[in-house]
Amino acid sequence: NAGVTQTPKFRVLKTGQSMTLLCAQDMNHEYMYWYRQDPGMGLRLIHYSVGEGTTAKGEVPDGYNVSRLKKQNFLLGLESAAPSQTSVYFCASSARTGQFSNQPQHFGDGTRLSIL
Amino acid sequence: AQTVTQSQPEMSVQEAETVTLSCTYDTSENNYYLFWYKQPPSRQMILVIRQEAYKQQNATENRFSVNFQKAAKSFSLKISDSQLGDTAMYFCAFMKYTGNQFYFGTGTSLTVIP
Repeated sequence: NAGVTQTPKFRVLKTGQSMTLLCAQDMNHEYMYWYRQDPGMGLRLIHYSVGEGTTAKGEVPDGYNVSRLKKQNFLLGLESAAPSQTSVYFCASSARTGQFSNQPQHFGDGTRLSIL
Repeated sequence: AQTVTQSQPEMSVQEAETVTLSCTYDTSENNYYLFWYKQPPSRQMILVIRQEAYKQQNATENRFSVNFQKAAKSFSLKISDSQLGDTAMYFCAFMKYTGNQFYFGTGTSLTVIP
């Protein structure tokens, strides 16, 4: 019962470095999401995907890129890390919404990212 | 645009007592879903309870229940017989019926005092 797995769990970067966060889900979910969580601001959607090969911008997409080459994986990339991107990042997935059915999101355990 | 507001940044309750967490939202949608998520110190996001807007009956899940007031756009969470394990951050979330994006509130930090 892996559910949603995020890799890595912790990372420290220097300003200007690049890195990729990996999210993998084994529930055959169509939808996947990347959020960032900052104190006093709740969770804010960065990017999301409604299916393999498709991505869309969320509330705070600037400075991030994503890819969904395989249905089970959703990658979040930082091309040139900035201190403002210090945050806890959460990946989530959910099944496709059907009529009169609500499909809650299943979350990973989060990745704590610090940019120095 | 949808907004979710949790006006209580922090709350505390004595063990075995009852506590109510507030949530209001703003939307022009008529059909939607509402959720409460719990985030304990372990950081994992756990679904607590869900409510469909078209249902008038308030959702209940063991010690957790909601008071859903659609006209007032209010969705409060009541925790009965509070337990130490209920200590966590609680997030209210909104999802449009026709989409799958969640909109989260800023959270309420609940501490259960022994």
